[in-house]
Amino acid sequence: ETGVTQSPTHLIKTRGQQVTLRCSSQSGHNTVSWYQQALGQGPQFIFQYYREEENGRGNFPPRFSGLQFPNYSSELNVNALELDDSALYLCASSPGGTGFNEQYFGPGTRLTVT
Amino acid sequence: QQQVKQSPQSLIVQKGGISIINCAYENTAFDYFPWYQQFPGKGPALLIAIRPDVSEKKEGRFTISFNKSAKQFSLHIMDSQPGDSATYFCAGVSGSRLTFGEGTQLTVNP
Repeated sequence: ETGVTQSPTHLIKTRGQQVTLRCSSQSGHNTVSWYQQALGQGPQFIFQYYREEENGRGNFPPRFSGLQFPNYSSELNVNALELDDSALYLCASSPGGTGFNEQYFGPGTRLTVT
Repeated sequence: QQQVKQSPQSLIVQKGGISIINCAYENTAFDYFPWYQQFPGKGPALLIAIRPDVSEKKEGRFTISFNKSAKQFSLHIMDSQPGDSATYFCAGVSGSRLTFGEGTQLTVNP
């Protein structure tokens, strides 16, 4: 069974640019959540996708957007990058459904904005 | 809005000792309270979780104590080992959304 994978591992961008981060969910999982983890902080919820539809969003501006594909992989897009967007971006997949479902996290993408 | 407050920020214990990490929450809509363990370069991994109608849950060396009236919960790591050295996060779950605490960096000295 393949776990959650993310690409790229590291990324350096310039302020004002756009970036796309990718996530492959674990086999059998139809729900993907994205989190931003600033250095020394806990992850903060960006949004969640369930069966290709956005299913909840945290306190992030519209320049953070996403997609989920029919195979349940997902992308996170960030436009007009700001210095404060520098963080570890984590993707987590879960089997969905009601009740608490364990979210399995990928290793993250480290984004640095200069 | 910080809905889960975690303490201490860092903790150093000796091998064999007990590690205790505390969390307090504000959001009464949380319906599950998990703890995550994160090693450098890795994503968080679920360690143990508890429902709010249970006061204690134990899995091996790890125990969650939960006080619903005080809106507090804690993680106890018994017989702490150097391999337990990691960052620990408490969280609250509402509608499958995780709200994390700030994290506790645990160091277990041999």
